[in-house]
Amino acid sequence: GNSVTQMEGPVTLSEEAFLTINCTYTATGYPSLFWYVQYPGEGLQLLLKATKADDKGSNKGFEATYRKETTSFHLEKGSVQVSDSAVYFCALSARSGYSTLTFGKGTMLLVSP
Amino acid sequence: GAGVSQSPSNKVTEKGKDVELRCDPISGHTALYWYRQSLGQGLEFLIYFQGNSAPDKSGLPSDRFSAERTGGSVSTLTIQRTQQEDSAVYLCASSQSRGGGQETQYFGPGTRLLVL
Repeated sequence: GNSVTQMEGPVTLSEEAFLTINCTYTATGYPSLFWYVQYPGEGLQLLLKATKADDKGSNKGFEATYRKETTSFHLEKGSVQVSDSAVYFCALSARSGYSTLTFGKGTMLLVSP
Repeated sequence: GAGVSQSPSNKVTEKGKDVELRCDPISGHTALYWYRQSLGQGLEFLIYFQGNSAPDKSGLPSDRFSAERTGGSVSTLTIQRTQQEDSAVYLCASSQSRGGGQETQYFGPGTRLLVL
């Protein structure tokens, strides 16, 4: 079956630090990959996605590249801000037909001024 | 409305009572999903609707859980004889057409259920 493994948190960083949150997956076929973010007290929001190998998703300074050879989709940002403090979820879905999302357990990011 | 809405936002109930959770998807979205977010289990899929049909109910944890969707729009998740382990945040999401893997699912704010 499908599964997603992401690094456990919390990840604590100072403002302007470089961020990496690791995500690896197991799936049959060629899934689409997503990063969702949950800010405190809010619902899940799509941050970025990639639908095929070597695609790079990007949004709000965050990037992730779909690496089929390493089955990874690591999230990066060059300079984090306090407002980036949130829980980040890596997820996948099958590319054909309907598809449910399979989520990682989430990584909490705490950015201090 | 502009996004997925859910009601109530919070629900406190006593063990053994039935509860109904409502989801109103984005207008025109034919695919609708229910997920559960709990401390121990993370985010888990419950059920998927395409229109009014539920071709995938594989995530429902027991026969106490059921869901329906009417008019291709609003969905209700019902939990009968609630147990303390049902305490979680129940999330609804919708997407535009067939729910294919490349589509983005848009999530509602969730219903936080506490069973005492």
